[in-house]
Order: sequence, then structure tokens, then C-alpha cells
Amino acid sequence: EAGVAQSPRYKIIEKRQSVAFWCNPISGHATLYWYQQILGQGPKLLIQFQNNGVVDDSQLPKDRFSAERLKGVDSTLKIQPAKLEDSAVYLCASSLFSSGSHEQFFGPGTRLTVL
Amino acid sequence: GENVEQHPSTLSVQEGDSAVIKCTYSDSASNYFPWYKQELGKGPQLIIDIRSNVGEKKDQRIAVTLNKTAKHFSLHITETQPEDSAVYFCAASKGNQFYFGTGTSLTVIP
Repeated sequence: EAGVAQSPRYKIIEKRQSVAFWCNPISGHATLYWYQQILGQGPKLLIQFQNNGVVDDSQLPKDRFSAERLKGVDSTLKIQPAKLEDSAVYLCASSLFSSGSHEQFFGPGTRLTVL
Repeated sequence: GENVEQHPSTLSVQEGDSAVIKCTYSDSASNYFPWYKQELGKGPQLIIDIRSNVGEKKDQRIAVTLNKTAKHFSLHITETQPEDSAVYFCAASKGNQFYFGTGTSLTVIP
């Protein structure tokens, strides 16, 4: 089966600019996650969707970050305006989360550098 | 919320030796504990997982143990090979929410 797709793979912007990331989860996976992974750290959850509804966005900096999952499939994560500390890898993951499976599948990530 | 701690942060072993990575968690409601391997430039990939109703699980050279009472779980890699070199993350999960450790960079020296 096709994996989680993300684009772009790399992005370099200057501070105060805007940027958007796209994720296409595995077909049929109702749960979609966006994580921020700063160099040398583990992934930190930014937002979690169940179909097109938000389950958890408690750690999303809502003054600058936004995310949507229209039609419960693809998702976009936006940062506006970007700060230097936003430099990180942004990982998208999806999960079927049925009674027999908890496994998350990760995409390759988008590496963001803010100058 | 859940807090997951992982040790060590870096680990070097000789090829053929064993490697052990340990994690602790704080929320007794967590019931699923996956381990991920992340290679450079790639997303994390699940290598083994364990549920709270099981104390140990093994898959070829990889094993995971879970002590629910002490709230800690460990990854064991035997007969390490150079291709095992990567960053390993533990995670604790309840429902469909996941909390990750800070990672262990494993280097296997040929």
C-alpha cells in the first residue's frame, strides 16, 4: 500500500514569511497527526484529526499555526508568520486506529529552515 | 498529561554486541508502547510494539519488555549490525494519542 505522502520535502524561508505543508495519509486512515520534531528531540504533537474533526490541538501555537483537513483526507499545516524557532522537521502520520491496531505510519517529513 | 523519559541519549556498541534502551512513563492509563527507528532524512518507522497486557515480546533480534508496576519498558537489540545504526524513539499511548521519548542515537561500530 502507498505510504503517507508529504510535500515539500524541504523549505527555506525567512522569518515573518508564511509557509504551508501538505499531507496525504494512507487511504482509509481516519486519524491524522501533525508533529513537530526539533533537531535532537522526539516528535511533539501539534494537532490530531479524527476524520475532519480536531481531537487535540492543545500544543498548537494558534497565533501562528493553523491546520485543516477538508473532507477528512488530505491535510495542510500553515505557519504565518514564521519564527526562527519554527525550524524543525514537520512530520505527518496517520492511523487506522481500529480495535486491533494502534499503529501510526509516518511520512518522510518536511524540513523547514527559517532564516 | 503523559511524560516519557528515554535513556541513554547516545549509545555506541561493537557489532555483534547487544544494545538496551530504556523508557519510563508517568500515566498508568497508557496501554500501548511502540518503538520506532528513524534513519537520517526519513520518518520514524515502527519496529516493535507491546500492549499493557503483555510483559515481553520478541521479533527476531529485537525484543521489548514492559513493567507496568514500575512504569518502564525497554528495547533490546541482540547481535547488532551496522544497519541498526539510527535514532530510536519510544512512545506511550492511550487511545489514539501518542507521547514520544527524546530519542537514542545508536551507533554500531563494525
